[in-house]
Amino acid sequence: SAVISQKPSRDICQRGTSLTIQCQVDSQVTMMFWYRQQPGQSLTLIATANQGSEATYESGFVIDKFPISRPNLTFSTLTVSNMSPEDSSIYLCSVIGLGGTEAFFGQGTRLTVV
Amino acid sequence: GENVEQHPSTLSVQEGDSAVIKCTYSDSASNYFPWYKQELGKRPQLIIDIRSNVGEKKDQRIAVTLNKTAKHFSLHITETQPEDSAVYFCAGDSGNTPLVFGKGTRLSVIA
Repeated sequence: SAVISQKPSRDICQRGTSLTIQCQVDSQVTMMFWYRQQPGQSLTLIATANQGSEATYESGFVIDKFPISRPNLTFSTLTVSNMSPEDSSIYLCSVIGLGGTEAFFGQGTRLTVV
Repeated sequence: GENVEQHPSTLSVQEGDSAVIKCTYSDSASNYFPWYKQELGKRPQLIIDIRSNVGEKKDQRIAVTLNKTAKHFSLHITETQPEDSAVYFCAGDSGNTPLVFGKGTRLSVIA
């Protein structure tokens, strides 16, 4: 199974600022995704992080608000830009390993915007 | 795209009883159906999964059944224990696509 290190684990940020979340995997993976989970809710896909090219965003999420990078097969970042209190949520990185279908999750980043 | 519906949203059972959670999916091309358990403040963890070429899979007290014709799958937990209390999510995947999750079921096992 893939070991995922996601950081920060939590942060409290001022509105209007940006936060970058990092996701590092201990082995090469085929796919990396970013999800958002609001309190008591399910996981909503933000985007698929594509290596070396622009991420693929789901409806309702745009690159200007959630820029994503994936420079190689083991690392990705998600930035939450120009934050507002509505962005307060848990953000989770998820990966699928080479040759597998099981999705593993990072421990999540609990973001509070004040 | 895929849409996954999950029921019930909350479920309370007495310790030792069985719990059943049901999901339906919309995309007939979906062929992989995992179940995740998420304890409070923790990440989702895969507990069991099933592929479309199999009708049932069992792992100790946990089993999953799949009816492709009806496009529904279910999670069965027998002899429930307090540590089974958590939120359970079903998901569907049509291959090389991100998982689409159900809304979750909050299971409470009452001792």
